[in-house]
Amino acid sequence: EAGVVQSPRYKIIEKKQPVAFWCNPISGHNTLYWYRQNLGQGPELLIRYENEEAVDDSQLPKDRFSAERLKGVDSTLKIQPAELGDSAVYLCAILKYGELFFGEGSRLTVL
Amino acid sequence: GQNIDQPTEMTATEGAIVQINCTYQTSGFNGLFWYQQHAGEAPTFLSYNVLDGLEEKGRFSSFLSRSKGYSYLLLKELQMKDSASYLCAVRDSGNTPLVFGKGTRLSVIA
Repeated sequence: EAGVVQSPRYKIIEKKQPVAFWCNPISGHNTLYWYRQNLGQGPELLIRYENEEAVDDSQLPKDRFSAERLKGVDSTLKIQPAELGDSAVYLCAILKYGELFFGEGSRLTVL
Repeated sequence: GQNIDQPTEMTATEGAIVQINCTYQTSGFNGLFWYQQHAGEAPTFLSYNVLDGLEEKGRFSSFLSRSKGYSYLLLKELQMKDSASYLCAVRDSGNTPLVFGKGTRLSVIA
């Protein structure tokens, strides 16, 4: 689905380093989600945005994770500092016609 | 809390039919979704059920029983390209985020 573009596709860092992921959805979609998917598991919600407002961030580990959605379009997810257990695929999704459309994800490996 | 259960792995033969079950326990219910995810790719939408019964879409069908907290995805005329993970997801109310099961990894063999 070309509607959600994520970058980078792959990132390898050492533990304690910072990392940031970008999500560029088609403009006009109010609801945006960040999910984390560990190997062999289903996606787990990290945060949901309605326009610029984070309306559900209860699952976001706020001691090291932060997110923002400027102007209600693009969004960034940051981890600082990264830990080994953060290795996962970070998926951005938009709500369109009641369905979730995912980007291809950013695969993070923390060494 | 919310709990979604589906088998971890299944294997089926090319040309056959396979049924992937999903049971859920959620505080509310506002729809059940099935997604397909090939290795290294994003999940893609397959089907949506909000009322009891069967929804058919080509080779794929999805069934829902709200009273039993149960759904299945039926794949007919299996092809090798159907080898993927199949994710069951539930929305418990309104426009709340989907809660996903762990996925069922389907292997289609010749």
